[in-house]
Amino acid sequence: SQTIHQWPATLVQPVGSPLSLECTVEGTSNPNLYWYRQAAGRGLQLLFYSVGIGQISSEVPQNLSASRPQDRQFILSSKKLLLSDSGFYLCAWSGQGFAYEQYFGPGTRLTVT
Amino acid sequence: AQTVTQSQPEMSVQEAETVTLSCTYDTSESDYYLFWYKQPPSRQMILVIRQEAYKQQNATENRFSVNFQKAAKSFSLKISDSQLGDAAMYFCAYRDDKIIFGKGTRLHILP
Repeated sequence: SQTIHQWPATLVQPVGSPLSLECTVEGTSNPNLYWYRQAAGRGLQLLFYSVGIGQISSEVPQNLSASRPQDRQFILSSKKLLLSDSGFYLCAWSGQGFAYEQYFGPGTRLTVT
Repeated sequence: AQTVTQSQPEMSVQEAETVTLSCTYDTSESDYYLFWYKQPPSRQMILVIRQEAYKQQNATENRFSVNFQKAAKSFSLKISDSQLGDAAMYFCAYRDDKIIFGKGTRLHILP
């Protein structure tokens, strides 16, 4: 069966520091991968999605970037964190094609101080 | 552009009762998929149910069922025999080539 991992689970970082969040998927190949951010008590904001290695689409221009160095690895990065980057970050995967639902990782809670 | 609207930010239901969460969407597409996701306090997003737009039959998963009205662009979730573990945020989602989430409905279960 497929599983999706995210780490770290929680992170506290000072303003101006770099960020790297990692997401890996097991049990499937060539998945679509997604990064979402969720502010407290709010809905999901799609940040990036990827349909293949090295293919990244950005939904919201901002302080963050994403990379997909391997088929089942998706990384969210920032060179300098802002206070507004605080939130809950969710990684998700789906099969290729829009018939497929998304499956989510456990998330990373990021607090920028 | 496609939109998803959940008009009830919060709802409460007595344990063992039935509750219906509303969702409407807007699209010009005829082929798409609809989903309900549950996000409990752990914040893990869990798929509850999915509905293919080309199917007239409403999807059912145990105590969870949907009322899909394609012409009205409505996709409500009914939870029967509510349990304390059903307390969560519920998100409605629409998908064609992209997936769009509603803002969620927080469901409280009263013992």
